[in-house]
Amino acid sequence: DSGVTQTPKHLITATGQRVTLRCSPRSGDLSVYWYQQSLDQGLQFLIQYYNGEERAKGNILERFSAQQFPDLHSELNLSSLELGDSALYFCASSVEGSGGHLTGELFFGEGSRLTVL
Amino acid sequence: DAKTTQPPSMDCAEGRAANLPCNHSTISGNEYVYWYRQIHSQGPQYIIHGLKNNETNEMASLIITEDRKSSTLILPHATLRDTAVYYCIGASGSARQLTFGSGTQLTVLP
Repeated sequence: DSGVTQTPKHLITATGQRVTLRCSPRSGDLSVYWYQQSLDQGLQFLIQYYNGEERAKGNILERFSAQQFPDLHSELNLSSLELGDSALYFCASSVEGSGGHLTGELFFGEGSRLTVL
Repeated sequence: DAKTTQPPSMDCAEGRAANLPCNHSTISGNEYVYWYRQIHSQGPQYIIHGLKNNETNEMASLIITEDRKSSTLILPHATLRDTAVYYCIGASGSARQLTFGSGTQLTVLP
């Protein structure tokens, strides 16, 4: 158990719909990362938040958005869903070094499996 | 981030050491080598990381060549539960995220 909690574990929805994925980081971790893993793309970095602020952005579509709340949990919002959005979505958290960089270990949750029909 | 190259798959007999190679010939002086693994669609799991020196923890050993162009992850006594995709990642100390490649599928055989 990594200490990172993701809900829901499984989600099935239709094209055009909107879903919200939730992540609770490990206690004390200020950084949250979102990754997408689809069959043909591997693990793709989407976005990172640190203590409520966006810190880094990867290949995140404009239809997707995220935020980190004052209690440090994070939500990833996916809208106007397409078949190609079907994937595993992982959240990870970490303790950052004093310079705001990785200290070496990301703790990943078990993921949310999204199926778009 | 440094580009890394790993073999797509490897087999290892249970109880034997598993040696997973990684080439990172373009790695720069401030880039660390990280190893993660992912067991069948579970969340990736951190294994070990290093900069120049060899590193060992309770899971594995990391051997980095002196020129830092390659490294080897060693699982000293592989078990069936070590069957997973192993990712070698190069990232600087100021990196804000890790870029995962396609990794090596390690299959531990009984």
